[in-house]
Amino acid sequence: SQQGEEDPQALSIQEGENATMNCSYKTSINNLQWYRQNSGRGLVHLILIRSNEREKHSGRLRVTLDTSKKSSSLLITASRAADTASYFCATEKGFQKLVFGTGTRLLVSP
Amino acid sequence: EAQVTQNPRYLITVTGKKLTVTCSQNMNHEYMSWYRQDPGLGLRQIYYSMNVEVTDKGDVPEGYKVSRKEKRNFPLILESPSPNQTSLYFCASSFAGTGHHGYTFGSGTRLTVV
Repeated sequence: SQQGEEDPQALSIQEGENATMNCSYKTSINNLQWYRQNSGRGLVHLILIRSNEREKHSGRLRVTLDTSKKSSSLLITASRAADTASYFCATEKGFQKLVFGTGTRLLVSP
Repeated sequence: EAQVTQNPRYLITVTGKKLTVTCSQNMNHEYMSWYRQDPGLGLRQIYYSMNVEVTDKGDVPEGYKVSRKEKRNFPLILESPSPNQTSLYFCASSFAGTGHHGYTFGSGTRLTVV
């Protein structure tokens, strides 16, 4: 079952621009994670933010979490063509499984 | 290099012919899990294991078996594959408890059952 809904479903930008993706979820969580997937390849873990955290940074990535609104956002600054991929949010409540969102397809054009 | 290794990467098989997809991790992770990814349905968990000899069903376990005899290995077994098991499969692993910082995924196995 999918808990998360990403918005937008697809995003097309130019290199150098910022990309923002949003994720909404339905139930309480322990943490929320963001993953990147290049076409047909494995998922790569980008960042994990715990329910008691509000913002986290990793390189060009910035993630926010608003538990009152059950939402998160992923900001990629100064996008590069190599950032072209699908991005998924995934929530974790008990330590048993990730529940993935529907994904955002990001296209970064040179 | 820390990684989760799945084999094979691609597999075409016929209905009813038993097959095993292997998964191995070299990070001493306690937790391992299998997912399948289908268009329009996203990623769904098949089975997971909290440690050696401890396995449990995920959301879509029908038609699959797993075993965890060693910490590093978590094979996925399809006893009698059917066409509706055609999918992209991923194995994932992680530390449990306070060491948990996210999951490492394998590169995937694309299975076609004809």
